[in-house]
Amino acid sequence: AQSVTQLDSQVPVFEEAPVELRCNYSSSVSVYLFWYVQYPNQGLQLLLKYLSGSTLVESINGFEAEFNKSQTSFHLRKPSVHISDTAEYFCAVIGGSQGNLIFGKGTKLSVKP
Amino acid sequence: EAGVVQSPRYKIIEKKQPVAFWCNPISGHNTLYWYLQNLGQGPELLIRYENEEAVDDSQLPKDRFSAERLKGVDSTLKIQPAELGDSAVYLCASSQSGRETQYFGPGTRLLVL
Repeated sequence: AQSVTQLDSQVPVFEEAPVELRCNYSSSVSVYLFWYVQYPNQGLQLLLKYLSGSTLVESINGFEAEFNKSQTSFHLRKPSVHISDTAEYFCAVIGGSQGNLIFGKGTKLSVKP
Repeated sequence: EAGVVQSPRYKIIEKKQPVAFWCNPISGHNTLYWYLQNLGQGPELLIRYENEEAVDDSQLPKDRFSAERLKGVDSTLKIQPAELGDSAVYLCASSQSGRETQYFGPGTRLLVL
């Protein structure tokens, strides 16, 4: 069965600093990988996804994630964060034939001025 | 294009009362999902529909939870009777088909007193 581990439950960082949110997954089959962001009292919004092709994927607001098959990781990075990036970030995987999303427990990113 | 619509956004009920949540997916999306999100956790799948057929309801507590998607478009999730432990956010998502990107609604925040 697939599982997703987000190693950090909370990440505090100062504005304009770089950040990395870690995600590891377990799956014996090919996977699709996703990062979703959840702002307070809102639903989940897709940030970026890896389906196939280039292992480095980018979002429109400066985040990027790299699929590393050998390390079974899909870490999310941003070189310079803004206050508005404060939110909870969820890593998720689809594996197997069912197509069900399996989520990690989330990482709360708190950007301080 | 309208996103996934859910109502109500908030619901407060007393334990043992019934409650229902409604979801309208993105137009043309055949697959509909209901997720449960407890505080501090990632979403967990309750049920997945392909058109009007429930193809995965293995995580739905069938003694008190029920769901329907009669015409293969909008869906209703019901709890009867509600228990204190049902307090959570109920998320609806849709995708064009299984293993495609899922798009989430804003969720219904349920508080059982």
